[in-house]
Amino acid sequence: DTGVSQNPRHKITKRGQNVTFRCDPISEHNRLYWYRQTLGQGPEFLTYFQNEAQLEKSRLLSDRFSAERPKGSFSTLEIQRTEQGDSAMYLCASSLAAGGWDEQFFGPGTRLTVL
Amino acid sequence: DAKTTQPNSMESNEEEPVHLPCNHSTISGTDYIHWYRQLPSQGPEYVIHGLTSNVNNRMASLAIAEDRKSSTLILHRATLRDAAVYYCISMYSGGGADGLTFGKGTHLIIQP
Repeated sequence: DTGVSQNPRHKITKRGQNVTFRCDPISEHNRLYWYRQTLGQGPEFLTYFQNEAQLEKSRLLSDRFSAERPKGSFSTLEIQRTEQGDSAMYLCASSLAAGGWDEQFFGPGTRLTVL
Repeated sequence: DAKTTQPNSMESNEEEPVHLPCNHSTISGTDYIHWYRQLPSQGPEYVIHGLTSNVNNRMASLAIAEDRKSSTLILHRATLRDAAVYYCISMYSGGGADGLTFGKGTHLIIQP
């Protein structure tokens, strides 16, 4: 399977703990996106990378959130000092920039539950 | 990016056509209309997009009103596998990267 993969698929943690999620995009894709989705809502954009550069961050991305894409391939999203409000599905998507519109391919998501 | 309005849910029968409406009355001339869908327990997937002309692909058709203030996603022959949340997104696609702005979408229920 050459689609976008995310690990872990599920994470349960206690409030105050740090968590890290990983996203492996489709191999030739140079753009990578993170979204968050809560129950009954559509996904909300968090941040975006072009290769290793983080070019856009939503105001939803508080100081407790940090994302990296060190070699322009996989990406990690870390949440420090988790809060119950962080419970959500975290989705990663990738795309290939081709000078115009590019289709985003989504992974299956990581479901975070903060107790 | 223009705001879109969709019905919360729609119901259809298997093997019948489905027309999913979307209003985007504040759309600008450079905004494209994109549709993504999200099957249960999966990430969203691209369905179709267009600017002014009607568009067809293997999954669906997109009919865009002449004034571009509304559009309709058409599934020609719905199957049970088409049961999903369908998101209509209006956004500029001028070559830069864009985080998609999803609304709540339309929950499509398919009856066997």
